[in-house]
Order: sequence, then structure tokens, then C-alpha cells
Amino acid sequence: DAKTTQPNSMESNEEEPVHLPCNHSTISGTDYIHWYRQLPSQGPEYVIHGLTSNVNNRMASLAIAEDRKSSTLILHRATLRDAAVYYCILLNNNDMRFGAGTRLTVKP
Amino acid sequence: KAGVTQTPRYLIKTRGQQVTLSCSPISGHRSVSWYQQTPGQGLQFLFEYFSETQRNKGNFPGRFSGRQFSNSRSEMNVSTLELGDSALYLCASSLGGTGPYNEQFFGPGTRLTVL
Repeated sequence: DAKTTQPNSMESNEEEPVHLPCNHSTISGTDYIHWYRQLPSQGPEYVIHGLTSNVNNRMASLAIAEDRKSSTLILHRATLRDAAVYYCILLNNNDMRFGAGTRLTVKP
Repeated sequence: KAGVTQTPRYLIKTRGQQVTLSCSPISGHRSVSWYQQTPGQGLQFLFEYFSETQRNKGNFPGRFSGRQFSNSRSEMNVSTLELGDSALYLCASSLGGTGPYNEQFFGPGTRLTVL
């Protein structure tokens, strides 16, 4: 299985940008990079996904390295409601394999 | 549009019993996936159903089974419960196309405790 590596935890101050890294050195050409997050006591929710080009949506931006071996989820202005576990997942069918994720703490 | 619903939300069983969990996907979604979440193992994929057929399966023993009905509702069954089956069971639905770009919508989960 393609695997991802993320830091266990990160901290950010409210209103500041957050860059959440993900390494996926064994990514294949057909793997999409997906990000989900799980807020406390909730199921995971979709954040963003991409294949090769950088992507932006209302929640975040996804920057993908040129060799696709790493990616970074960017939250432009962290809020307290962004405190969650963020999962980076490689996907090429509907079988999602979650790693341990990064626990993001946002300080007021 | 109503989200994914799971019933029951909480369940307590004893070892050796069996349990059935239910998931109602978002209207129009044809794919339903099940996941087990524990503090030690994190989120693990159980299986995915699409149009009443199991399309993908994770590495779980045969005690874990599921099915999907013609209205896309899905049930998951665990037989001969073990203490280690205590977990949050999450269901997710998606439109179900075969590409990797289908956003999955998760329900709130069923918290199963095995005593």
C-alpha cells in the first residue's frame, strides 16, 4: 500500500497560516492526494484533494511538490475551529487507508 | 440535504455476542464504506459496497461482514464479539464513481463497547 508520513502534532496561533506537511515518497502516477480532517467527536470530513497541480478551495490550499513525493496542506488563517487531526491519504480507488495524521492545536 | 446517519450511536455488548450496525447514506450516493477507529490502530478500512456488491475489502477477519440494500442503506455485522472490537465504527458515503476523486461524507459513528 502507498503510505504517507506526517508529523504527529503541530501547533499554531489563531489567525496565522498553518502548513501541514505530508511525505509520500512511494506515490504512484495514478494516486490522488487527499486530505481529510477529524474534529473532536466527529467523523472525518473532506478538506481537499489534488493530483499534480496546486489546488485551492474555500477551506484550504494544497501545494504538491513537482516530483509528487510530498505535499503541504495550507490553512491560510487558522481558527480555533480548525483544531483537529489532519489526515493525508493516497487514493487510487475507493479504498481509503488512513495514517496516524497530524493533531493540530490552535492557540488563541 | 440530510447527511449520513448511523444507528445506534452507542452500543454495549458482551463478548461472544453479535451486533448489527446501520448506515443510511446521503440520498443519491451509491457507495458506502465502513471504517473502524481505535486509539491504538487509528482509522482502518473495513469494506466498501457499491450497488449492493462488495467492491473493496480491508484486512479484517470474516467475523466482520456487511451488506447493502437496493436503497443503498448498509448494515455491518460483527459476530462473536471480542474485547478488541470495542471501537468507533464510521460509515461514509460517496457518489461511488470508480475514480479516486469521490469525496466521502462520514457519519457521526457508532461507539461499540464490548464487555
